[in-house]
Amino acid sequence: DVKVTQSSRYLVKRTGEKVFLECVQDMDHENMFWYRQDPGLGLRLIYFSYDVKMKEKGDIPEGYSVSREKKERFSLILESASTSQTSMYLCASSFAGSFSGNTIYFGEGSWLTVV
Amino acid sequence: GQNIDQPTEMTATEGAIVQINCTYQTSGFNGLFWYQQHAGEAPTFLSYNVLDGLEEKGRFSSFLSRSKGYSYLLLKELQMKDSASYLCAVRDLSNDYKLSFGAGTTVTVRA
Repeated sequence: DVKVTQSSRYLVKRTGEKVFLECVQDMDHENMFWYRQDPGLGLRLIYFSYDVKMKEKGDIPEGYSVSREKKERFSLILESASTSQTSMYLCASSFAGSFSGNTIYFGEGSWLTVV
Repeated sequence: GQNIDQPTEMTATEGAIVQINCTYQTSGFNGLFWYQQHAGEAPTFLSYNVLDGLEEKGRFSSFLSRSKGYSYLLLKELQMKDSASYLCAVRDLSNDYKLSFGAGTTVTVRA
């Protein structure tokens, strides 16, 4: 079974703090993603990476950065957390390409509250 | 990007059938996915359609019409455990490793 593991399930941080969310996958997937999920807005893509040290902005990258130093690990960084970044963060991974049925697999999510 | 629309909520009775519709607009359609997400949990993959027609997997079926930009997920013989959010997601040919998601449909199954 594919396993995508997010390091923290629940976090509470103060405004202005630097926050790291870590994600590890064990399927040798090329692609990794960070989404945030908010009620009524669905999943929105923050950043994705298609290879080590490669990254591309998603739909809402402002206030976030990412790091991918190893293939299996993809980190999301909030340089200076704000209350608007209170959300559920989902990491995901997939193989490269659009072959039939290639889907993405999600981690269990990290609930971040910024106070 | 894509505009993906699906109803916000649906309620049905145990044992019944529910159909969740999804409409989308995309510049380069390359596949449509349905995911199930229970409250507080990660989305899990249910089905994939890239060609027109119906794909059946047990109690769940998914239909696609590319010309109409339309899909539906059909849940038959509803069980209480089917109460969840159902997410429609579309993959775009110009960026085939990115999925864009609808806001999700919350299905509540009543006894």
